[in-house]
Amino acid sequence: KAGVTQTPRYLIKTRGQQVTLSCSPISGHRSVSWYQQTPGQGLQFLFEYFSETQRNKGNFPGRFSGRQFSNSRSEMNVSTLELGDSALYLCASSSAYGTGGDGYTFGSGTRLTVV
Amino acid sequence: KQEVTQIPAALSVPEGENLVLNCSFTDSAIYNLQWFRQDPGKGLTSLLLIQSSQREQTSGRLNASLDKSSGRSTLYIAASQPGDSATYLCAVPYNNDMRFGAGTRLTVKP
Repeated sequence: KAGVTQTPRYLIKTRGQQVTLSCSPISGHRSVSWYQQTPGQGLQFLFEYFSETQRNKGNFPGRFSGRQFSNSRSEMNVSTLELGDSALYLCASSSAYGTGGDGYTFGSGTRLTVV
Repeated sequence: KQEVTQIPAALSVPEGENLVLNCSFTDSAIYNLQWFRQDPGKGLTSLLLIQSSQREQTSGRLNASLDKSSGRSTLYIAASQPGDSATYLCAVPYNNDMRFGAGTRLTVKP
């Protein structure tokens, strides 16, 4: 079966711009989580969606937002980009009710570079 | 609050050696524990998922154990190969997200 698909794989944006990243979970998975990974901070939780509802949010500013569609595909948006937003953004999908009962499957990530 | 710690942060071994990576967590009320592998610049690949009712899981040369009462898990890699070089992370579900350790960066020298 198809895995978790993240698009695009790479992005270069200018400071102040905004960006939208996409994540298509494994078919049948209803939970999608987003993480930011940087060399200094490791994996940082952004938010989790289940059936189009955001159920949990990490400690990120309001410039980071997301949504989930009825087909479980999810997008995250970062507005007014800053240099510090340069990171690998990962999404993970799970079939269980957010507790990761079946474990998490990650996509390959989107590498965002802000210049 | 759930905190996950991995020791050591980095490990370098010669090819063929058996090795153990450690993971500890502070809240023993976990549903499961998952081990991942990450190659540089890539996403996380799931290696093993241990449910809370299980004591261990095996996949090929990998064996993961879980001791909930002591808040520990170990990942055992047998007969290590250069292709095993990567960062290994453990994670547990918590509050509708996953809590990750900082990872162990493994280098297997030919």
